[in-house]
Amino acid sequence: NAGVTQTPKFQVLKTGQSMTLQCAQDMNHNSMYWYRQDPGMGLRLIYYSASEGTTDKGEVPNGYNVSRLNKREFSLRLESAAPSQTSVYFCASSEAYRQASYEQYFGPGTRLTVT
Amino acid sequence: GQQLNQSPQSMFIQEGEDVSMNCTSSSIFNTWLWYKQDPGEGPVLLIALYKAGELTSNGRLTAQFGITRKDSFLNISASIPSDVGIYFCAGPLIQGAQKLVFGQGTRLTINP
Repeated sequence: NAGVTQTPKFQVLKTGQSMTLQCAQDMNHNSMYWYRQDPGMGLRLIYYSASEGTTDKGEVPNGYNVSRLNKREFSLRLESAAPSQTSVYFCASSEAYRQASYEQYFGPGTRLTVT
Repeated sequence: GQQLNQSPQSMFIQEGEDVSMNCTSSSIFNTWLWYKQDPGEGPVLLIALYKAGELTSNGRLTAQFGITRKDSFLNISASIPSDVGIYFCAGPLIQGAQKLVFGQGTRLTINP
């Protein structure tokens, strides 16, 4: 099993450009998440999807949109990139029942630079 | 909002030494998670704790769920070069919800 995969691995955008970060998991997990990580800080939740067909805002949702395409895939879209969105983006997934729902499994990350 | 504070922020140790780090909160947590992040990679779950006072080991790693429910501890015995990385604690913002809050991390550097 590949676990959680993310594409692309690296991306450079100019201010105002748009792009979509892709995430897929093959663990049959119900829940998926998008985080950003900035230097010296922990991970901050952007959006999450508790189950297929549902999405909800996290701590830092402004400037982002998400789509839960099916059970496997959860994408993050930047409609008009800003330098403040330069960060490393991680996708994660978890089961949706009992204690296992807290145990999130992460992808390798997408390193995004906005100039 | 809820915050998790990790201490120390960074550690520089010699190979073979034992390591101790902790995570504290002003609020009660009913679940504690410890992750490790290697350079250039995503975080990997090391240990999950679900009960106050619980002590759980994973190889050379041992984590404890503090009895007050406001802290957790991670120890690494006999450190080796591959232990280098950033260690994060995390816990659910609201018990029963799946949203996690993360500490800012403890960066471990090992001198051979």
